Amino acid sequence: EPEVTQTPSHQVTQMGQEVILRCVPISNHLYFYWYRQILGQKVEFLVSFYNNEISEKSEIFDDQFSVERPDGSNFTLKIRSTKLEDSAMYFCASSPSGGRGNSPLHFGNGTRLTVT
Amino acid sequence: EDQVTQSPEALRLQEGESSSLNCSYTVSGLRGLFWYRQDPGKGPEFLFTLYSAGEEKEKERLKATLTKKESFLHITAPKPEDSATYLCAVEGSGGGADGLTFGKGTHLIIQP
Repeated sequence: EPEVTQTPSHQVTQMGQEVILRCVPISNHLYFYWYRQILGQKVEFLVSFYNNEISEKSEIFDDQFSVERPDGSNFTLKIRSTKLEDSAMYFCASSPSGGRGNSPLHFGNGTRLTVT
Repeated sequence: EDQVTQSPEALRLQEGESSSLNCSYTVSGLRGLFWYRQDPGKGPEFLFTLYSAGEEKEKERLKATLTKKESFLHITAPKPEDSATYLCAVEGSGGGADGLTFGKGTHLIIQP
């Protein structure tokens, strides 16, 4: 069964550094998402992306964050000038049609980001 | 603002002991209520989507039901492999840019 793959599985970075989290969505999916889960907290929506542009973003997704689909297969989340509070599990998800109808979001296994 | 509250936070059952998990929600125009399973160190795995009150869906030992205010995930004769965190999420049509709103989950442990 096709799956969403994320790399790396664990990223350690120093405060103030930039990180790029990578995702390969399921190949025929058109909608892409990033969510995060701080340890012990809820899964939180960050951003959705469709047709090469952001379609929705949450208050968390400020100027520190950006997303890009640099080629036909990868979807990236860039976090500039990381802060301690950015430490979390970041999940990429994809969907064939925006998560509505019988096309729910399929999540990857996440990248655990640790900011020291 | 959409809100999802799940209870209990944790539940320990003996193998074969049936029970139910609760998801209470408030949402502006429900587009869908979703149940996911999350294993440690993994991403959420889709289980069910429910759209309207009275709807029910089943998969193996799991059955999800929906009312206008809450959803239940019933687990019948569970096995140890059903141990996981079960997440409930809603998507509303209120115009907010929130994607899916998740609850904190119910951590289910099935003891052999």
